[in-house]
Amino acid sequence: DTAVSQTPKYLVTQMGNDKSIKCEQNLGHDTMYWYKQDSKKFLKIMFSYNNKELIINETVPNRFSPKSPDKAHLNLHINSLELGDSAVYFCASSQFRTLNTEAFFGQGTRLTVV
Amino acid sequence: DAKTTQPTSMDCAEGRAANLPCNHSTISGNEYVYWYRQIHSQGPQYIIHGLKNNETNEMASLIITEDRKSSTLILPHATLRDTAVYYCMEGAQKLVFGQGTRLTINP
Repeated sequence: DTAVSQTPKYLVTQMGNDKSIKCEQNLGHDTMYWYKQDSKKFLKIMFSYNNKELIINETVPNRFSPKSPDKAHLNLHINSLELGDSAVYFCASSQFRTLNTEAFFGQGTRLTVV
Repeated sequence: DAKTTQPTSMDCAEGRAANLPCNHSTISGNEYVYWYRQIHSQGPQYIIHGLKNNETNEMASLIITEDRKSSTLILPHATLRDTAVYYCMEGAQKLVFGQGTRLTINP
């Protein structure tokens, strides 16, 4: 069983399009995250949700909108895609209530904007 | 921004112990030290974490200095599959990844 699964794995789209990336975790965790890894391989946190509530919102363009229908899902919707959005996006989950916890990551979604 | 510092890269011979250092001088009293690794564009993988005491699991050992300002991750018998970028981090709620250490295991 995959703990944190993302779909799609690869996404190629044109500038200006709107796209969504889905993430699901079956670990019973209450917190989920989105990270972006750019071409320089830096991993940056974008958002975090705890029990469907936004708790971390880094400096991310408004074109990026996370949506958490329940605590097992955190989807990322991107409007008006730009070339600079090309990156690998990782979803992760953890248990928030304790500081003594590990995060599990999905395998990533490679987004290419052309 | 990441609050930890690590060497950019390291090499280790296969079968030898790989010792990866990390400085985390701003760590607060209740924050754990976490280690993750990322193998060639896969999702980051948890390795180990600790607060004050040294820790060991099936993947690695973690040695934390008494003042908690630095730690060392030890892979006791490195294999080629351990080639990856290793990240050291403070805390758990908001994992902030630095540049990490690119560890290359050589045959």
